[in-house]
Amino acid sequence: ETGVTQTPRHLVMGMTNKKSLKCEQHLGHNAMYWYKQSAKKPLELMFVYSLEERVENNSVPSRFSPECPNSSHLFLHLHTLQPEDSALYLCASSQEIIGVYEQYFGPGTRLTVT
Amino acid sequence: QKEVEQNSGPLSVPEGAIASLNCTYSDRGSQSFFWYRQYSGKSPELIMFIYSNGDKEDGRFTAQLNKASQYVSLLIRDSQPSDSATYLCAVNIYSQGAQKLVFGQGTRLTINP
Repeated sequence: ETGVTQTPRHLVMGMTNKKSLKCEQHLGHNAMYWYKQSAKKPLELMFVYSLEERVENNSVPSRFSPECPNSSHLFLHLHTLQPEDSALYLCASSQEIIGVYEQYFGPGTRLTVT
Repeated sequence: QKEVEQNSGPLSVPEGAIASLNCTYSDRGSQSFFWYRQYSGKSPELIMFIYSNGDKEDGRFTAQLNKASQYVSLLIRDSQPSDSATYLCAVNIYSQGAQKLVFGQGTRLTINP
């Protein structure tokens, strides 16, 4: 256990559904991240939150909407997804200290869009 | 040019031998380098990080960094079947006001009993 939890672990949704992924970190970190991992592709950074402020949006389609209500919680709201959005969605956290950038991952949510 | 490059493998190593995993990166300003292990169906697990040129040892794992050559490697001594996994190299960069990690595609390692 890394101290980062994600729910649900598996999610099947239709293209017209709305769902949310949740991430919680118990490490006292001040930065959180959403990644997408598709088969045979490198991990893709989607969103970065530092001190609860979004600092990067890597050209992610608007059907993905992040929310960070506090430094321990991160959500990814999903709506009108496409089948190509099926992937493993990973949350990570880190403590933003100069020179220290280790990120710790949660177990991921396996998303299937039908 | 990809920011972080790894040989995707698969790399096959006999049990008990040394497994050598390599990674090159393009951003000369990078200061921190990480190796993650990812078992099939699981999330990446941080196993080593290195910030300074040279070697860093932790048990059977040794990370090696050469900033002049923009090269980082991971050696696994006395390889065990349980080391069979995909190994991800990650490098920190500073972009759009945030530190972030850029990952390579990963090298799939198989340890043969």
